[in-house]
This record gives sequence, C-alpha cells and structure tokens, in this order.
Amino acid sequence: DVKVTQSSRYLVKRTGEKVFLECVQDMDHENMFWYRQDPGLGLRLIYFSYDVKMKEKGDIPEGYSVSREKKERFSLILESASTNQTSMYLCASTDRGETQYFGPGTRLLVL
Amino acid sequence: GQSLEQPSEVTAVEGAIVQINCTYQTSGFYGLSWYQQHDGGAPTFLSYNALDGLEETGRFSSFLSRSDSYGYLLLQELQMKDSASYFCAANSNSGYALNFGKGTSLLVTP
Repeated sequence: DVKVTQSSRYLVKRTGEKVFLECVQDMDHENMFWYRQDPGLGLRLIYFSYDVKMKEKGDIPEGYSVSREKKERFSLILESASTNQTSMYLCASTDRGETQYFGPGTRLLVL
Repeated sequence: GQSLEQPSEVTAVEGAIVQINCTYQTSGFYGLSWYQQHDGGAPTFLSYNALDGLEETGRFSSFLSRSDSYGYLLLQELQMKDSASYFCAANSNSGYALNFGKGTSLLVTP
C-alpha cells in the first residue's frame, strides 16, 4: 500500500523559530513536492525535487528551503517562521506517472 | 506559468449528476488531472486526461478539450460521501501536476 507520511499533524511555533517539516515516502518515487494549502487559494507549490539533492522552486518559495539527502525523504525548512506562514502543508510524491500521492498534511500555527 | 479556474462551490442533490468545470491558461500543458479532498483529509487522485475526450472511471468521468482549454469532472449518481473539494490540476510535460486550481467545494444534499 502506498504511503506518504509527515512528521507531525499539528505544530505550533513562535515567530522567528526555525521549523522543520519532514516527509517520507515508501514507494521509491523520484519526485517529491511540498505544497501549502490556504482557504480560497487551493494548493500552491513551494518546492519540488526530481532526484536526490536536486530541487526546483515552485510558485511561492520565498521564506522556505528544502533538503533531499535521501530518495525517500524530503524536508521543508522555514528558516525564520512568520505568522503569514501559518497554513496546512502537504507533501506529495510520484514516480514518472501522473498520480501524486499526498501525505496527511501538517497544520502549522505560527504565533 | 499556469492558471486554472473552477467554480468555488457547487450544490447538488443525492442521486443527481453534477459537472465541475475547469478552464486553464498554461504553458507546457500536457494533461489535466482531478483530485478529491474530504475535510481534514489528503487529496486523492481521481482521473487524468492526456488526450481530448472522455475518460470514465465508475461513477466519475473526466473530459478534456485542448482546443478550448477546458475540462470537466462529471459525477453521476451522487452520494452523500461525494461531498468534498475537487481540484483540477495541470500536468507538465514531465508528467506530474505542478499547478492546481483553487478547488470546488461540492455539497451533496438529501
């Protein structure tokens, strides 16, 4: 069974903190993605990675960085969390097909 | 870049048929995907159209017209459990979807 897991379902952080969101997939997929989802705005792509140590900026990369040291793991880093980064963060993965498999999401609150 | 437009909300009665439209403006468009997301859940893949025409998967069908930059998701024999948000997404020539519409919230009423 396909599985994408995210390290936390809920997270509360303070402004200025460095935040790490972890995503792991067990399907040996090449491609992994980080989105944020906000009411009325849908899913917006932050970064994606098509191979280990490779990354591409999405539509809204400002304030974020990513790390992909191993094929199965893709981390999203908020260098200095701000209140406007309060959101639902969704990780996804896919092989070279059209189906993306999403994790359960991390709801982040920045105070 | 790519932009996709879909209605924000649709309401339909149990047992009926509903169509959710999606229009897109894209560069490097390769195909159109549809995802379903229940409240509090993760998006799940429903269907994909790389070619013009209708793709049928059980009660769900999806249509694409490249010449009109338009597609739709058709849900038949609506059930209460179909109440969810539905997203269209544009697939790039890499195969995977990078841009999603803002989603259509479907409410199925008794």
